[in-house]
Amino acid sequence: DADVTQTPRNRITKTGKRIMLECSQTKGHDRMYWYRQDPGLGLRLIYYSFDVKDINKGEISDGYSVSRQAQAKFSLSLESAIPNQTALYFCATSDSSGGNTEAFFGQGTRLTVV
Amino acid sequence: SQELEQSPQSLIVQEGKNLTINCTSSKTLYGLYWYKQKYGEGLIFLMMLQKGGEEKSHEKITAKLDEKKQQSSLHITASQPSHAGIYLCGADAGGYSTLTFGKGTMLLVSP
Repeated sequence: DADVTQTPRNRITKTGKRIMLECSQTKGHDRMYWYRQDPGLGLRLIYYSFDVKDINKGEISDGYSVSRQAQAKFSLSLESAIPNQTALYFCATSDSSGGNTEAFFGQGTRLTVV
Repeated sequence: SQELEQSPQSLIVQEGKNLTINCTSSKTLYGLYWYKQKYGEGLIFLMMLQKGGEEKSHEKITAKLDEKKQQSSLHITASQPSHAGIYLCGADAGGYSTLTFGKGTMLLVSP
């Protein structure tokens, strides 16, 4: 089983719909992140959480919200999806006790908003 | 904010040839990470460099960090089809413990 699991792997949704992407990890890491990847733009940070009570906006948080339900779970919501949110979304984790920021990534969720 | 520029954007090499990918930071590097991504899949960690002059190798891939130039290079020796993919460099964005990434270098290895 993967250490960082994202569900769903693929999703097509309509403009205006609410959608949630889920991420769970078995690595025991305290830090979790959501990134989106777009062709030509690379990976951009949406939100990150350093522990269950800590949520921070990243570079491109507008139109998104997150919830850290437990140390192992971090979900990303699009309250009202729009076509320019079509992208590949990645969840990642890291361990603050390691002294570095090495991040472990899930397999990604491909979201298409039509 | 920190920006990472990768060059080249894409690269096609013949199997068996060597190649180098560069990653240049706009700010001081606190840690530089190299990842590989197969198309549409997750990122696989390759190696991390923290100290100026540091060099690490894994199989046929070697990465170096030039702290003064704020630059890292990734060198692949005797490339194979299995090396094909997108290589991304990431850096600790000013000590905030979040990674900023370059836009990636797409590598194709032709037989």
